[in-house]
Formats: sequence, C-alpha cells, structure tokens
Amino acid sequence: EIVMTQSPATLSVSPGERATLSCRASQSVSSNLAWYQQKPGQAPRLLIYGASTRATGIPARFSGSGSGTEFTLTISSLQSEDFAVYYCQQYNNWPTFGQGTKVEIK
Amino acid sequence: EVQLVESGGGLVQPGGSLRLSCAASGFTVSSNYMSWVRQAPGKGLEWVSVIYSGGSTYYADSVKGRFTISRDNSKNTLYLQMNSLRAEDTAVYYCARCPPRDMYFDYWGQGTLVTVSS
Repeated sequence: EIVMTQSPATLSVSPGERATLSCRASQSVSSNLAWYQQKPGQAPRLLIYGASTRATGIPARFSGSGSGTEFTLTISSLQSEDFAVYYCQQYNNWPTFGQGTKVEIK
Repeated sequence: EVQLVESGGGLVQPGGSLRLSCAASGFTVSSNYMSWVRQAPGKGLEWVSVIYSGGSTYYADSVKGRFTISRDNSKNTLYLQMNSLRAEDTAVYYCARCPPRDMYFDYWGQGTLVTVSS
C-alpha cells in the first residue's frame, strides 16, 4: 500500500493570502495524483488530477505541481469559500488518500 | 448533468448486512469505472471497492470477502452489498465515478451513513 502523508495538518491563512499544501508518497506515483476539497457535510470535490490539471470548473487560483513522491497544491489568493479540508490521493496503484490538511481562517 | 444518489444506509447490528444503492444519471454506469469510498466520522477518506467497465471487481483488504460491488445496467445503478458488518465499518459511504482507465474520482454522490452498533 502506498502511504500518502500531508502537511501541515492545519494551515491558518488570512483571506487573500497564498496557501501551500504538501503531499508526500511513500513511493513514486509518477503524476497519478489528485487533490480534493471537502467542506463540512459535503462530498469531496475534485480539484486537480494528473498532479497539475485543473478539473472542470475549478478556478485558476488553484494549481498543482510535483511528480514522483513530492506534490504541492497552491491556492494563490484564498477566498472565503476556500476554507475547507484538502486531501491528496494517488492512483498509481490501488487508491490511497492522505489524512487531509485543514485550511482555516487566521 | 452527472448525478449520483446513494441510498440504503442506516443502523445495523454487528454481524448484520446492508445493501447500498447508487442511482446514476447523466452518464452510463457500465461505461465507467465506478467506486465506493467511505469516511468514518471525523476521519479521512478510504477507498473500498471498484467495478471496472468490463465487470471486474476489486476490494480493499479491509472489506475483502465481506463486501460485494455490483451494478444493474438496466437501472443504471451501482450497489454495495455489505455482510458481516463490524463497528469499524461505520462511515459515510460515497459512490464515485472514475474517468476511463484512471482511478481518481471526478463525480461523487452525497453519501449515505452506515452505523454499525448494538
């Protein structure tokens, strides 16, 4: 099983600031990496797949980068609706998720 | 518009059974990989099972031998039969669509809560 580790667990950011979330895989997953956003009481929403491709309808302020074992999700200027939990997921092997990063208002 | 609507969750005793349904619209279930993903209360996401467009099925080790994924093409509906339920199976269960030949999840249902407790 490929273990996905996200950091930090919680990120406190002011609206308008940049947020950088990290995700590390226990072995290479190539570019088979997705990011999701989840708000309380809602299902996850796909943001990024292929490590860097935005899903349909996702604003340009969300960007993904990385390959192999190290990945980053960047939110360039946080909006109020972006405060949520973010998960990374590898699909190079049977899917596994990171434990999540909560982005909260500073 | 793609929509996934789960049903069938509820309270069940340990050792009991439950069948979840996921009615799809806006696309054809049999043409896509379809998965179940669960989330225990206050916890992260865990992939449970997948059925490929060709009909092959695969399971996480935690549910292998107890859960069965299937689909009814005539109803465009996905199912998860859960037997020998344990307290640790308590979670919100989401059905999710995968794009062709990849196993990330581009559309999700709203989820259905399964509680295993005496």
